[in-house]
Amino acid sequence: DAMVIQNPRYQVTQFGKPVTLSCSQTLNHNVMYWYQQKSSQAPKLLFHYYDKDFNNEADTPDNFQSRRPNTSFCFLDIRSPGLGDAAMYLCATSRDSSRWVADNEQFFGPGTRLTVL
Amino acid sequence: AQTVTQSQPEMSVQEAETVTLSCTYDTSESDYYLFWYKQPPSRQMILVIRQEAYKQQNATENRFSVNFQKAAKSFSLKISDSQLGDAAMYFCALTGNTPLVFGKGTRLSVIA
Repeated sequence: DAMVIQNPRYQVTQFGKPVTLSCSQTLNHNVMYWYQQKSSQAPKLLFHYYDKDFNNEADTPDNFQSRRPNTSFCFLDIRSPGLGDAAMYLCATSRDSSRWVADNEQFFGPGTRLTVL
Repeated sequence: AQTVTQSQPEMSVQEAETVTLSCTYDTSESDYYLFWYKQPPSRQMILVIRQEAYKQQNATENRFSVNFQKAAKSFSLKISDSQLGDAAMYFCALTGNTPLVFGKGTRLSVIA
């Protein structure tokens, strides 16, 4: 089945130690998104890629970076995790991002829960 | 800026009964999409139903239907014949010229 896969499902890191979360998709979608979701809150968009074009949200901290080496994979790098970065990180994909087309439905992965010690 | 407001942090419904979750939004766009997403505990978020703003007819998907009031900027979700598997966090979301903007969610409990 076509899907969005996130690894690992649970990640523990130490304060200040860089960590990378990964996302892969078999849907061949153009757009990939990274969201941060804290407990009992709505997902907050960090950034998204339309193909190779990177779009950073204005309030995403510089501590968060992303890479998309090819269509299928996208990585979230947290350079120096703080205690406030502990959260669920959701990856999502969509065929397109334009409101003019119907293919803007986002498909979500299961998430990676990050714990910072 | 686009905003989505869900005024009910928690709701509960008896199994087999009907429940309505509220959502209001604000956008300056004339063309946009509205969504309801379901996030079960420890499981991934899935799309429940989608409404194109230019369509006047309310979307339906089996037991799920929406009441879309464009002038009032209201987009409520009705779940009929509620089942235990409907227990989850429900997020209302909006997309126009920007990626999805989510509401804060409504946690739905289903009582057997």
